[in-house]
Formats: sequence, structure tokens, C-alpha cells
Amino acid sequence: TQLLEQSPQFLSIQEGENLTVYCNSSSVFSSLQWYRQEPGEGPVLLVTVVTGGEVKKLKRLTFQFGDARKDSSLHITAAQPGDTGLYLCAAAGAGNTGKLIFGQGTTLQVKP
Amino acid sequence: DTAVSQTPKYLVTQMGNDKSIKCEQNLGHDTMYWYKQDSKKFLKIMFSYNNKELIINETVPNRFSPKSPDKAHLNLHINSLELGDSAVYFCASSLGLAGGLSYNEQFFGPGTRLTVL
Repeated sequence: TQLLEQSPQFLSIQEGENLTVYCNSSSVFSSLQWYRQEPGEGPVLLVTVVTGGEVKKLKRLTFQFGDARKDSSLHITAAQPGDTGLYLCAAAGAGNTGKLIFGQGTTLQVKP
Repeated sequence: DTAVSQTPKYLVTQMGNDKSIKCEQNLGHDTMYWYKQDSKKFLKIMFSYNNKELIINETVPNRFSPKSPDKAHLNLHINSLELGDSAVYFCASSLGLAGGLSYNEQFFGPGTRLTVL
């Protein structure tokens, strides 16, 4: 069974601090995605990483795919209250079914 | 200009009832999905359809029956509702299964919060 483990599960920080969220697995994935979900809404795709070692930046967010394509990290610089939400990593399941396997999520709270 | 829409947004019902949730996407996507998000926020795939054909059925009780009248719609009917069915149900869509990275990027609806009393 393919599993994605995210850590930490909960994170409460002050505005301006930096943070990193991790997504780990023992399986190799062809790609990995990060989604953000706000209360009362569905997840929204932030980024997809494909190549081992790949780094992508989205304003203050930096995403990295591990060299072996088994893990990924999301780093937020100078967090703002607007970054508050649930961050989910997801990877494609085996076979061409479109199935996504999600991590348990990291709930981030950024206090002003 | 809503991309993926679901109705209703909230559904409160008694145990044993039968209920339906509807989903529509106007993105022209070929593939649609139903996910269940539990109280711990864990999101798990239930079903997927590609061009109205069932592709994924993830060991979901047969009280849950999806139906895709056309590729823009995927509805979920639940019979004999149980307390454990209480959750948020999300519909999603993606371009298709033809292969390639972009085909696996999914767009989610706003969710339907189902509460079974």
C-alpha cells in the first residue's frame, strides 16, 4: 500500500516566521502535488513536482521533490496570516487511473 | 464561472434515510471523482469515472452508488445512511487519463458536509 506521511500535523506560528512541512513515503512516485485547503472549501492545487531534486517557487513558498522521488517538502518564508490553512501532499496511485493518494495534512495557523 | 460545483453544501439527515449529492463541472474534463474527508481531515478517494465509465471503486460499501449521466456530471447516491457516513464529500475533476502530467491535476468542488443524526 502506498502511503504518504506528513509532518508536522499541526503548526501554530507567529507572522514572519519560517516553516517547513514534510511529506515522506517509502514508495517512488512519478509526480507529487501540494494542495492548500481553506475552511469550508475544497483543496486547491499549488504545485506539481515531477523531476527528482526539482525545486519550484511560488512567491514565498518553495517546494522540493526528493532526489529519489520518495519525499517532498514545502517551505514558507515569512509566513503571513493568509497562509493559514490545511496543506496536503498528494501523489498519483499505481496504474493510469487518475487516483491521488493524499497525506494526512498539515494544519497551519499563522497568528498576526 | 464556477468550475466544479456541488449541491447541496450542507445535508443533515436521519440515520436510515437515502440521500443524493450532485456534482457538475464546466471545465470540459473527462474524469470526475468523489472523495470523502473525515473528521481528521484525511481525504480518501471513493470513486472515479472517465467519460461516464467507472474506473475506481475503492472498497466503498455498496450503499454508495455513483452515477454519471454525462461526463460533466457525477452524482452520489447513498442508501440507508449510517452515523459513520458523516463527513465532507468532495467532487473533483481532471482533464483525463490519456497520460501526461496535466491529466492528473485535480480541481475540487466546495464540498458537501453530510451530518447523519
